[in-house]
Amino acid sequence: SQQGEEDPQALSIQEGENATMNCSYKTSINNLQWYRQNSGRGLVHLILIRSNEREKHSGRLRVTLDTSKKSSSLLITASRAADTASYFCATDAPNAGKSTFGDGTTLTVKP
Amino acid sequence: DTAVSQTPKYLVTQMGNDKSIKCEQNLGHDTMYWYKQDSKKFLKIMFSYNNKELIINETVPNRFSPKSPDKAHLNLHINSLELGDSAVYFCASSHRSGANVLTFGAGSRLTVL
Repeated sequence: SQQGEEDPQALSIQEGENATMNCSYKTSINNLQWYRQNSGRGLVHLILIRSNEREKHSGRLRVTLDTSKKSSSLLITASRAADTASYFCATDAPNAGKSTFGDGTTLTVKP
Repeated sequence: DTAVSQTPKYLVTQMGNDKSIKCEQNLGHDTMYWYKQDSKKFLKIMFSYNNKELIINETVPNRFSPKSPDKAHLNLHINSLELGDSAVYFCASSHRSGANVLTFGAGSRLTVL
């Protein structure tokens, strides 16, 4: 089964609103990453947070990590129509040699 | 300038045929991967190669055979295609295996009729 589960599966908001999506995982990790996938395209890396970090910012993105709860959240502030995409978390477990992806959240931002 | 390029972008073929997807990266990365994304967007790793050596084979049927002629290329050959092989196949690369940022190709959509 997938390492990560994301919720909600789908999220629809108005432009300008904030979007929050969550990721839960099962095993210990070294890092957690978030990726974006626009329709019909490959995944694009957004942000990486290490297991000893609790929060990280990049532009309008804010990622938190709670290793005690094995969960992470991605907040997109002041959303734009161009943020419409699927968002995936990916975990890097120790010695796994791979990133394991969550199920993804499909975000629709209405203009 | 494309960092990870894969061809073809679309592939439509009949059951039982054999097909190949090619991937090349110009980033100087040591590790390359194949991921499969199904119709529900679940993304699952199939293989990874580090400097031409197979590192990960995630219980993929042996109809799937990856080949890495050098560290910049990782091709995927699929024999005796089945309906369930229909998916989007993504090639990716990273500096080293595991904890590193992946750079993905645009994907190759395979449809088996």
